[in-house]
Formats: sequence, structure tokens, C-alpha cells
Amino acid sequence: AQSVTQPDIHITVSEGASLELRCNYSYGATPYLFWYVQSPGQGLQLLLKYFSGDTLVQGIKGFEAEFKRSQSSFNLRKPSVHWSDAAEYFCAVRANNNNDMRFGAGTRLTVKP
Amino acid sequence: DTAVSQTPKYLVTQMGNDKSIKCEQNLGHDTMYWYKQDSKKFLKIMFSYNNKELIINETVPNRFSPKSPDKAHLNLHINSLELGDSAVYFCASSLRGGDHSPLHFGNGTRLTVT
Repeated sequence: AQSVTQPDIHITVSEGASLELRCNYSYGATPYLFWYVQSPGQGLQLLLKYFSGDTLVQGIKGFEAEFKRSQSSFNLRKPSVHWSDAAEYFCAVRANNNNDMRFGAGTRLTVKP
Repeated sequence: DTAVSQTPKYLVTQMGNDKSIKCEQNLGHDTMYWYKQDSKKFLKIMFSYNNKELIINETVPNRFSPKSPDKAHLNLHINSLELGDSAVYFCASSLRGGDHSPLHFGNGTRLTVT
């Protein structure tokens, strides 16, 4: 079965600094990969997804992610973080023909003024 | 226009009671889900329905029973509530299951069992 690991439980960055959140997946073939963001008291919102083609995908709110098959990774990046980006970020993986979308444990992002 | 709506937003109840959480999506999606998020924010799938048919039933106590009267609704009924059931429960939907269709989440129901 597919699984996903987010190695960083909590990351703190200064406003305006760049950000990279790590995600590693385990699956025999190329999975469908997603990044979601959860603000306090809210549901999860899709930032971006990868399913085929260009390995660098652009999402909403200035986020991008790069799929690296050789490293089984799908890291999320943003060149300049805003205070409103403080939230919980989840990486998710789904195998082809499988309803089950598996989520990582999440990374909590704190943004310092 | 709310895409995935679940009610109630908060549910406080005592051990042993029975409660239900309702979920409706107006996106025309075929697949709906229930996820449980524990106090450490870990999200675990509980159930998945595709066109009213149960597709995924994870290792969930049989006190939890989903019901899908039509493909726009997926309700969750919980019998004999226990302290360990306290969590946030999220309903979600996707256009299809088993492909790259993303999940659209409701805002969650925070269940507290005392």
C-alpha cells in the first residue's frame, strides 16, 4: 500500500524567507501526489497536485512542488513566505485505481515577523 | 456557495450516547469520504463511497456506520460513544475515486466525548 512521510513536524521561518517542506512517498509505481493546507478550525484546501508530465507543478498562493522519482519525493516550496502562510501542511498520495488517499503526519509552519 | 458542508460543527456528548454527523456535497462528485483527525493532526481514512457503494471500510469499530442515501450525501452514525472517539471528523468528496481527482473537504465536526 502507498504511504507518505513528512520528516519535519514543525518548521519556523521568517517572513520573506524561502520555504521548503519535505515529503517522501512509498509506492511501486508513479502515484498521484498532492499538497494540502489546513488553517486552524478549517478543512483542508488543495494547494497543488502532480499526476503526470512536467515534474515541477505550480499551485495556488505562490506555491510550487517538484516530483523527483529517483528520490521518491514531492517537496513543496515557496520563494517568499507571508505571515498568512502559517498553517498545517499535508502531503498526500493516492495509487492509481485506488480510492484511498493517504496523508502524511503534517508539518506545522510558523512564520516569524 | 458551500461545496462540502457537514453538520454540526461542534458536538459535545457523553459516553454511551449515539450521535450522527451529516455531510452533503453540491459539486456533483461521485465519491465521498470520511476521515478522522486525531489530536496530533493525523488524518486517517475511515470510509469511502463511490456512487452510494461502499468502497473502503478501514479498520473502524462497527459502532461507526456510514449511510449514503444518494451520491450527494454521506452521513456518519456513531453508537455507544467512547472517550477515544473524540476527534475532528472530516467529510470529503472527489469527482472520481482512484485517479488524480483531488479531495474537497468540509470544515470538520469536532466531537468531544465526556
